[in-house]
Amino acid sequence: AQTVTQSQPEMSVQEAETVTLSCTYDTSESDYYLFWYKQPPSRQMILVIRQEAYKQQNATENRFSVNFQKAAKSFSLKISDSQLGDAAMYFCAYNRDMRFGAGTRLTVKP
Amino acid sequence: EAGVVQSPRYKIIEKKQPVAFWCNPISGHNTLYWYRQNLGQGPELLIRYENEEAVDDSQLPKDRFSAERLKGVDSTLKIQPAELGDSAVYLCASSLGFWGVDEQYFGPGTRLTVT
Repeated sequence: AQTVTQSQPEMSVQEAETVTLSCTYDTSESDYYLFWYKQPPSRQMILVIRQEAYKQQNATENRFSVNFQKAAKSFSLKISDSQLGDAAMYFCAYNRDMRFGAGTRLTVKP
Repeated sequence: EAGVVQSPRYKIIEKKQPVAFWCNPISGHNTLYWYRQNLGQGPELLIRYENEEAVDDSQLPKDRFSAERLKGVDSTLKIQPAELGDSAVYLCASSLGFWGVDEQYFGPGTRLTVT
């Protein structure tokens, strides 16, 4: 069975600084999709960014970008110019069986 | 555009009682997901529907859980009888396409407490 591992239960970043959240996964497939979802406190989960495994170029969405290393099965999320509204739980997910990691709680300090 | 609607938002029941959760996905979305999320953990897929067909229910505890998606639109998830370990948030999500390649839109969830 595929696994998704987020090794950082909690992370903290100063407002306006950059932070990187880690995610590794295990799969024998070559074609798949990876996602980062954000779950703010008491609010609904929303998509942050998506990466297609067959694309070599790393996905970017404004202040959010990923470092996708297919051979290493690594998929990290970089948040630049962190804002107070970025504080949330962040989940890495793999589409083949819709498996989510355990999450990383991000705190943003003013 | 209305988002994914779930009801009830909160439910408290005694163990061994039945409970049902309802989900109305975004109009036109073909795939519907039910997840269970325990406190401090990531969502765990229970069942995935593509239209009205359940295409992945490998994590659904079939001895006590059941689900249906009538006419490929609304869906109901039922637990009977509930156990203490079923206390969790039950999330419904929907996506436009298949195979989990599209963005999922999540509902607010139903927080179940079994006493």
